[in-house]
Amino acid sequence: ILNVEQSPQSLHVQEGDSTNFTCSFPSSNFYALHWYRWETAKSPEALFVMTLNGDEKKKGRISATLNTKEGYSYLYIKGSQPEDSATYLCAFGTQAGTVLIFGKGTTLSVSS
Amino acid sequence: GAVVSQHPSRVICKSGTSVKIECRSLDFQATTMFWYRQFPKKSLMLMATSNEGSKATYEQGVEKDKFLINHASLTLSTLTVTSAHPEDSSFYICSASPSGRYEQFFGPGTRLTVL
Repeated sequence: ILNVEQSPQSLHVQEGDSTNFTCSFPSSNFYALHWYRWETAKSPEALFVMTLNGDEKKKGRISATLNTKEGYSYLYIKGSQPEDSATYLCAFGTQAGTVLIFGKGTTLSVSS
Repeated sequence: GAVVSQHPSRVICKSGTSVKIECRSLDFQATTMFWYRQFPKKSLMLMATSNEGSKATYEQGVEKDKFLINHASLTLSTLTVTSAHPEDSSFYICSASPSGRYEQFFGPGTRLTVL
């Protein structure tokens, strides 16, 4: 059974703090690792798709790294803002195709 | 670009009735669409993969006669929950993949409540 684990389950930070979350996934049959941001009452928004070991991607204050050999990815948020409050999901894609297996998400709350 | 709509956003129905949920890719063609269900405090669980013009592929444990999926065009897939029961109450969300791309773009989801 393929399992994707995310930690922490939730966290609360102050505006301006930097933070990071972890996504662990099976290191075999790797195809792609996706990060999504899911705000309440909205569609999950694709942040990054990473496919190569060592990939690093950046979008504004948010960045992500990928280690396919050990099966983990980190998502970093620099200088958190209240609008960053959301649930961050990672999803693992196998070589079988584009079917994605999701973690439970990390819920971030940023207070001003 | 890459917008997916889902309708309705919320539905309340009586036990025994059927409910249809639509998923549309608004500005791209999607050969493949996916249907997920989310239980409280759980991950998004893939129910089925919907391929345009062919039968859907259901995940283990998902009853295909209970959850009817039709993908009649490259921009529309429908999920019909037949003879709904209270245990079918859940959050259902679809996603679509543009041809040749890794990403999946999600609809906003449908909250189904069966009384």
